[in-house]
Amino acid sequence: DTAVSQTPKYLVTQMGNDKSIKCEQNLGHDTMYWYKQDSKKFLKIMFSYNNKELIINETVPNRFSPKSPDKAHLNLHINSLELGDSAVYFCASTGGGDEQFFGPGTRLTVL
Amino acid sequence: LAKTTQPISMDSYEGQEVNITCSHNNIATNDYITWYQQFPSQGPRFIIQGYKTKVTNEVASLFIPADRKSSTLSLPRVSLSDTAVYYCLVGDMDSSYKLIFGSGTRLLVRP
Repeated sequence: DTAVSQTPKYLVTQMGNDKSIKCEQNLGHDTMYWYKQDSKKFLKIMFSYNNKELIINETVPNRFSPKSPDKAHLNLHINSLELGDSAVYFCASTGGGDEQFFGPGTRLTVL
Repeated sequence: LAKTTQPISMDSYEGQEVNITCSHNNIATNDYITWYQQFPSQGPRFIIQGYKTKVTNEVASLFIPADRKSSTLSLPRVSLSDTAVYYCLVGDMDSSYKLIFGSGTRLLVRP
């Protein structure tokens, strides 16, 4: 069984479009995250949710809006996509602090 | 949060022991040291975590000197499949909401 899953795995879209990436974890964890990994492979945290509440919102354009309908889901909606948004986006979750479980990633390409 | 410094890349050969050192001069009293491994096109995966002295699991060993300003991840007898990026992180496990990933060390294992 997949612990942290993301859909879609690949996303190719045009500039200016709005898109969403979904994340689900079946680990019963309270905390979920979104990370962005750019072309230089830097992995940077974007958002963190704990029990459906936003804990961390790093310096991310407000075009990015996370939504957590329940503890098991943290979706990422992106408005007005730009070329610089092209990256791999990882969802992760943690249950108690010592280990984060990452999803397989979503490769977003903005043309 | 403590900043970490690692070598950008390392080369090794199959069967050798690989030691990757991470510097974290500003580590705080409550911070733990955690290492993650990331294969291409996958999310990072937890390897090992420690606070002081030595920790060993089935995958690796983690050596932490008394001053805790550095740590060394030791991979015994590496194989080609250990080729990956290895990240060193430090953070307060009570505030695990925000773990900062550095640039990581790209390990290349050659036949």
